[in-house]
Amino acid sequence: GAVVSQHPSWVICKSGTSVKIECRSLDFQATTMFWYRQFPKQSLMLMATSNEGSKATYEQGVEKDKFLINHASLTLSTLTVTSAHPEDSSFYICSAPASGGNEQFFGPGTRLTVL
Amino acid sequence: EDQVTQSPEALRLQEGESSSLNCSYTVSGLRGLFWYRQDPGKGPEFLFTLYSAGEEKEKERLKATLTKKESFLHITAPKPEDSATYLCAVSDTGRRALTFGSGTRLQVQP
Repeated sequence: GAVVSQHPSWVICKSGTSVKIECRSLDFQATTMFWYRQFPKQSLMLMATSNEGSKATYEQGVEKDKFLINHASLTLSTLTVTSAHPEDSSFYICSAPASGGNEQFFGPGTRLTVL
Repeated sequence: EDQVTQSPEALRLQEGESSSLNCSYTVSGLRGLFWYRQDPGKGPEFLFTLYSAGEEKEKERLKATLTKKESFLHITAPKPEDSATYLCAVSDTGRRALTFGSGTRLQVQP
C-alpha cells in the first residue's frame, strides 16, 4: 500500500502558540489530502480537505482561521494550529487517496498536547 | 448526510472464538465502504474496500461482506494480535472524504 508520513509524531506546546504539522505522501502524488481529528475513545472526524494549488475546504464548525492548511506540493500538506488552546489537544491524522484509486491511506498521526 | 453505526462498541473474545462485527450505513450514493484497523496511538491501517452489495473480500483471518444497508467483518479463529479497534467508513459519490463509524474495540484473550 501507499505510504503517508506525518511530522512530528507528538508535540507539546503552551497555550497561545502555533503548531505546524506536516503530512507527506512518500511514494505517490496526492492532489487531495484530508485532515481528521480524533479525541480519546472517539472516531475520526473530518476537519478539512486540502487541495493542491487551491484553497482548502473546511467542514462545518471548523474554524478556517484557526486551522490553516497549505497544500504546497503534490506530496506535502501542512496543518497549522494557530493560537492553540487546551481544547485543541487531540490526535490529528492526515490521509491521501492513492492515485486513481478510492482507498485512502493514513499517516501515523500527530498527538498534540496544549498546556 | 452520510451515517455509519458500528456494533458492538466493544467485544472480548477468547483465542479461536470466531465472531462478527457489524457496520450499518446510510449514504446517498455509495462510492465505497472501507474497513480499517487502528492500534492505540497509531493511524488507521487499510484492510478492505467493498463497492457493491454481495461483494466479499478476505485477508488471513478476516472476511468482509457487504449488503445494501450493512457490512460485516467476520473474524475466524482470532489470535491475540488481532486485538485492535476496527473502523468502518463510507465515502459517497459526491466526495472522496470518509465518514467513519465509532469503531469496535476488539480484545482477544489467549
